[in-house]
Amino acid sequence: AQTVTQSQPEMSVQEAETVTLSCTYDTSESDYYLFWYKQPPSRQMILVIRQEAYKQQNATENRFSVNFQKAAKSFSLKISDSQLGDAAMYFCAYRRMEYGNKLVFGAGTILRVKS
Amino acid sequence: EPEVTQTPSHQVTQMGQEVILRCVPISNHLYFYWYRQILGQKVEFLVSFYNNEISEKSEIFDDQFSVERPDGSNFTLKIRSTKLEDSAMYFCASSSVSVVQPQHFGDGTRLSIL
Repeated sequence: AQTVTQSQPEMSVQEAETVTLSCTYDTSESDYYLFWYKQPPSRQMILVIRQEAYKQQNATENRFSVNFQKAAKSFSLKISDSQLGDAAMYFCAYRRMEYGNKLVFGAGTILRVKS
Repeated sequence: EPEVTQTPSHQVTQMGQEVILRCVPISNHLYFYWYRQILGQKVEFLVSFYNNEISEKSEIFDDQFSVERPDGSNFTLKIRSTKLEDSAMYFCASSSVSVVQPQHFGDGTRLSIL
């Protein structure tokens, strides 16, 4: 079974600074998807960024980028120029490359942004 | 942008009562999911649904749970006899037939069992 591990229960960053959230996963599959979801206090689940395992290039969405290391099974999220609105719980998630497959989530990292 | 809609946003129920959580997935999506998040814990998969049948379910999804797509738009999760430990946030999600497209989540229903 696939597992996702987020080893940082909580992180803090100063506004305008950069922070990196860690995620590792375990799978025997060669093709799959990885995601970062943001959950603000309102508890919505908002997709931040995704990475296809068959793509070597790291995904980027504005201030959010990932460092995908397939051999190490590592998928970290970098947030640049942190803003107060980035404060939330961040979940790393894995999905097999099959139709309709479930997401497997990590335990989450609470990100606090200091002004 | 199309959204997944969940109702109600908050449901309070007495232990032992039946509860139905409702979801309206995005209209052209064909895969539907329910996830659960107990307060302070991670999001856990409950069940996936495709072509009017369950395609996968977790060990959490026991005989007390059922899902249904009663018409062309709604997707429901029923808990037959609620327990205190069913108190959680329940998220509905849907995805299209394209394997590259992500799942879209609703805003969740907070279920409180008294």
